[in-house]
Amino acid sequence: IAGITQAPTSQILAAGRRMTLRCTQDMRHNAMYWYRQDLGLGLRLIHYSNTAGTTGKGEVPDGYSVSRANTDDFPLTLASAVPSQTSVYFCASSETGYGYTFGSGTRLTVV
Amino acid sequence: GENVEQHPSTLSVQEGDSAVIKCTYSDSASNYFPWYKQELGKGPQLIIDIRSNVGEKKDQRIAVTLNKTAKHFSLHITETQPEDSAVYFCAASMDNNNDMRFGAGTRLTVKP
Repeated sequence: IAGITQAPTSQILAAGRRMTLRCTQDMRHNAMYWYRQDLGLGLRLIHYSNTAGTTGKGEVPDGYSVSRANTDDFPLTLASAVPSQTSVYFCASSETGYGYTFGSGTRLTVV
Repeated sequence: GENVEQHPSTLSVQEGDSAVIKCTYSDSASNYFPWYKQELGKGPQLIIDIRSNVGEKKDQRIAVTLNKTAKHFSLHITETQPEDSAVYFCAASMDNNNDMRFGAGTRLTVKP
């Protein structure tokens, strides 16, 4: 089934540790995004990529980095996790100007 | 940047009744307005969208209306069913989609 695969599904992480959240799409969409979802705050954009080889900062980029080496993969890295990064993380993709297809999310708890 | 406000935060209706969720946006340059449905434990799913060159769009039991002058848009669900129970998000962006902003969400409960 075409779509977005995120891994892991959930993770408990010690503060200060490095973590990479994986995201892969098979729809050949040019744009990809990372959002975090927190209760009462909706979805907030962390980073985005319009096309392979380019990335940009969203609304809440601090503490996160991304790379887009190819069309299909868009990993999100937390260099040194902090408790405020406890959240549900969603990866999404789209063709420019169209709605997003979201993955099922990664629930991250930083302790 | 764009700011999207969504109301109400929770909505409870009886099966068969209609439900309306309203959103306002701040940036008059926004021209694309999607709506997403999120079921428990899943990612948001696009259910309908509207662009600024139209005022209304319908798809079976759901419809979206847009008032560009007032900068607000609404989701209408008719003949609600228990499976419509979910969290609904509105969003607004310009064509490049880089900075799509989401409302805080509405938790809709349809009581059988």
